[in-house]
Amino acid sequence: AQSVTQLGSHVSVSEGALVLLRCNYSSSVPPYLFWYVQYPNQGLQLLLKYTTGATLVKGINGFEAEFKKSETSFHLTKPSAHMSDAAEYFCAVTINNNDMRFGAGTRLTVKP
Amino acid sequence: DSGVTQTPKHLITATGQRVTLRCSPRSGDLSVYWYQQSLDQGLQFLIQYYNGEERAKGNILERFSAQQFPDLHSELNLSSLELGDSALYFCASSVSGGGLGETQYFGPGTRLLVL
Repeated sequence: AQSVTQLGSHVSVSEGALVLLRCNYSSSVPPYLFWYVQYPNQGLQLLLKYTTGATLVKGINGFEAEFKKSETSFHLTKPSAHMSDAAEYFCAVTINNNDMRFGAGTRLTVKP
Repeated sequence: DSGVTQTPKHLITATGQRVTLRCSPRSGDLSVYWYQQSLDQGLQFLIQYYNGEERAKGNILERFSAQQFPDLHSELNLSSLELGDSALYFCASSVSGGGLGETQYFGPGTRLLVL
């Protein structure tokens, strides 16, 4: 069965610093991978997704993620954090389009 | 604003009761998805409907059911409620029935509190 592990329930960075949020998945078949962001008291918003093709995926708000099959990872990065990036981030995987599993989430804090 | 609307925003009820949550998808979207977000279980996919038909099923309890109507709005029915059903319930919609890999647009959620 597929599963998703997000390393670090809380990540704190300074404004302007690199953001790195880690996600590892387990799957016996090629997955679709997603990163979602959730701001307080709001629903989820898709940041980016990987289905097939190019393994480096660019998303909204300057975020990108790289699918590394050999490492079963899909880490999310942003070169320079902004205060508005403070939110909860969820990695998710779906296989065969029939089910979606989410990681436990990583809360990103951005310090001025 | 994603264009997906959910009512009510908040719901407080008692154990053993039954509630109905409503979702209107974005204009033109044919698929509706339901998710539960709780402190204990995190985010879980419940079920997907496409153009009135059940398309995919996740970790949905037998006490829960959903349907999608001809006007494409959807309702999630929760019965014999337990304390553990207290959660935020999200609805999402997507353009077609391509499955969970499609880009989904999430509503603001309905917060359910079971006392």
